[in-house]
Amino acid sequence: ETGVTQSPTHLIKTRGQQVTLRCSSQSGHNTVSWYQQALGQGPQFIFQYYREEENGRGNFPPRFSGLQFPNYSSELNVNALELDDSALYLCASSFKRRGELDEQYFGPGTRLTVT
Amino acid sequence: ILNVEQSPQSLHVQEGDSTNFTCSFPSSNFYALHWYRWETAKSPEALFVMTLNGDEKKKGRISATLNTKEGYSYLYIKGSQPEDSATYLCASTYFGNEKLTFGTGTRLTIIP
Repeated sequence: ETGVTQSPTHLIKTRGQQVTLRCSSQSGHNTVSWYQQALGQGPQFIFQYYREEENGRGNFPPRFSGLQFPNYSSELNVNALELDDSALYLCASSFKRRGELDEQYFGPGTRLTVT
Repeated sequence: ILNVEQSPQSLHVQEGDSTNFTCSFPSSNFYALHWYRWETAKSPEALFVMTLNGDEKKKGRISATLNTKEGYSYLYIKGSQPEDSATYLCASTYFGNEKLTFGTGTRLTIIP
């Protein structure tokens, strides 16, 4: 196992509601990335946080937001849920060093169903 | 738009047989190619990361090669075992953009 944990494992929400997903990074890691995997697709990059600041964002609307805390745990918040937000959400942590390859370690994901 | 493509989408292989599958990726500004093995209900597990043209990596019965000029990587599994059943994902990264760009995966099923 990677040491990256996510909660909850799965949840069901109604369209229009808000949801918070949580990720606990591997010990010593300073970077967390979030990915969305819709059915039949590969994981799509949502955003990355490095030392509590957003460090890159994919093609997702502003209602997807995140936080990284001083202990390097992280949250993904999604407002005004839409049916298309139903997906598996993965977080991945890494230790970013200048000039070195950033190897990401994934959690098992949170399965979100929007009805 | 960066497109990483994997083929085949799914594959059934008899136990003991060898198999391989392909990942193709845009080669412009390429930095690294990652392979992940993902069993159902578990975390994706990193297998290999390669950066240089001609790189070959090996872990037990699994190996991978990289061609950065033409933008493809092969993953090989020798003497398939039931525990090799999983989805194999590849992802590329590019200079100045550290996000992983994933393919849709190859779902491998080993038939005992």
